[in-house]
Amino acid sequence: DAGITQSPRHKVTETGTPVTLRCHQTENHRYMYWYRQDPGHGLRLIHYSYGVKDTDKGEVSDGYSVSRSKTEDFLLTLESATSSQTSVYFCAISETGAMGSNQPQHFGDGTRLSIL
Amino acid sequence: QKEVEQNSGPLSVPEGAIASLNCTYSDRVSQSFFWYRQYSGKSPELIMSIYSNGDKEDGRFTAQLNKASQYVSLLIRDSQPSDSATYLCAAARGGSYIPTFGRGTSLIVHP
Repeated sequence: DAGITQSPRHKVTETGTPVTLRCHQTENHRYMYWYRQDPGHGLRLIHYSYGVKDTDKGEVSDGYSVSRSKTEDFLLTLESATSSQTSVYFCAISETGAMGSNQPQHFGDGTRLSIL
Repeated sequence: QKEVEQNSGPLSVPEGAIASLNCTYSDRVSQSFFWYRQYSGKSPELIMSIYSNGDKEDGRFTAQLNKASQYVSLLIRDSQPSDSATYLCAAARGGSYIPTFGRGTSLIVHP
């Protein structure tokens, strides 16, 4: 299994509070991603990173920020959590394969976040 | 708009049968395709990757790719109740590290 650790695994917090989710990898992969998964919507990309300090927005980035100060860590922050951000959050990693081929993503175990 | 379409199901098959899961994609320049299995309450787990037209077999799983028709399928032979899960299809352009995911097909294998 890919060495991906997400923390915390579960969190309950109140509207308006800041929340930070951490993704840690031991694979030294270049690319890291944050997704949220909600019933009826599938996986939706929030932000992604293609290197240390190199990040970009996904399709549902509003209300979220990210940082990557080290290859192994990718942080997702909800500056002021809202109930609409209640979801399951998955971190994923990937690497470029031989001859530039796409390699699949591997996912962490997820964080279940509830915002009351 | 790149889209990957999957029938949400549920697809119900008896134990021991072949389960056939289908996926179509809209981006003609997609080159890499991935199937993931996701058990309820768990994270997606990679089953297979396929990059070339034709069939690719791995144990009880066979992925089939037809780029001309823009579809990719996953066959599961000798289906077991433990195969009951949601199966996600994903497609990516060559050189892109951001795949597009379908919403998944729920598979139920009943004894």
